[in-house]
Amino acid sequence: IVMTQSPDSLAVSLGERATINCKCSQSVLDNSNNKNYLAWYQQKPGQPPKLLIYWASTRESGVPDRFSGSGSGTDFTLTINSLQAEDVAVYFCQQYSETPHTFGQGAKLEIK
Amino acid sequence: QVQLQESGPGLVKPSETLSLTCTVSGGSISRNGYYWGWIRQPTGKGPEWIGSIYFTGTTYYNPSLKSRVTISVDTSKNQFSLNLSSVTAADTAVYYCARRDKDRQIGYDPWGQGIMVTVSS
Repeated sequence: IVMTQSPDSLAVSLGERATINCKCSQSVLDNSNNKNYLAWYQQKPGQPPKLLIYWASTRESGVPDRFSGSGSGTDFTLTINSLQAEDVAVYFCQQYSETPHTFGQGAKLEIK
Repeated sequence: QVQLQESGPGLVKPSETLSLTCTVSGGSISRNGYYWGWIRQPTGKGPEWIGSIYFTGTTYYNPSLKSRVTISVDTSKNQFSLNLSSVTAADTAVYYCARRDKDRQIGYDPWGQGIMVTVSS
């Protein structure tokens, strides 16, 4: 499954909203339980990716509620409301519906 | 709290075999319900899934690397390992180990800090 993120980079003002899209070349929805096997990760320089959201829209424990995920099937969105300085990072989507578990190319988020 | 730590050489010569170990602490690698995986990331690029293993020894590999990859587990040492043969400069990357919850299916968490491996003569 090929994962394509857009945009590759974005600059957003502090306090504003950032939106990152992720498109899968085929559906990652498990019809048996209605779960999308799509995760979002945040990666800061020199650090490993950090799991933010799984099942496309469920926040990992401890992740601020300004982070939200939406979408189903093949099209997904990560939204960061009220952007904070510490949100500067590269964001990746990943499907784990089938192997190989592929990642998007990443979206670099900066402050405008 | 489970923690993972990669170890191994940071420099490998072309055509040789890259060998890395991931040591798991804070929990047993033999506990039911977790896959243990290897993921790599070339500088400035997105991560690439290499493969994963269950404590029973069942493995899953990326078809693009399958002919060169072996992942194994040593439950007595609470470790799992990666061997990548016939390396080239294209295999230069940060290599991460990570855990995936088999039952909850929530993606990969936690990850190790990563180890930079350079393929060069």
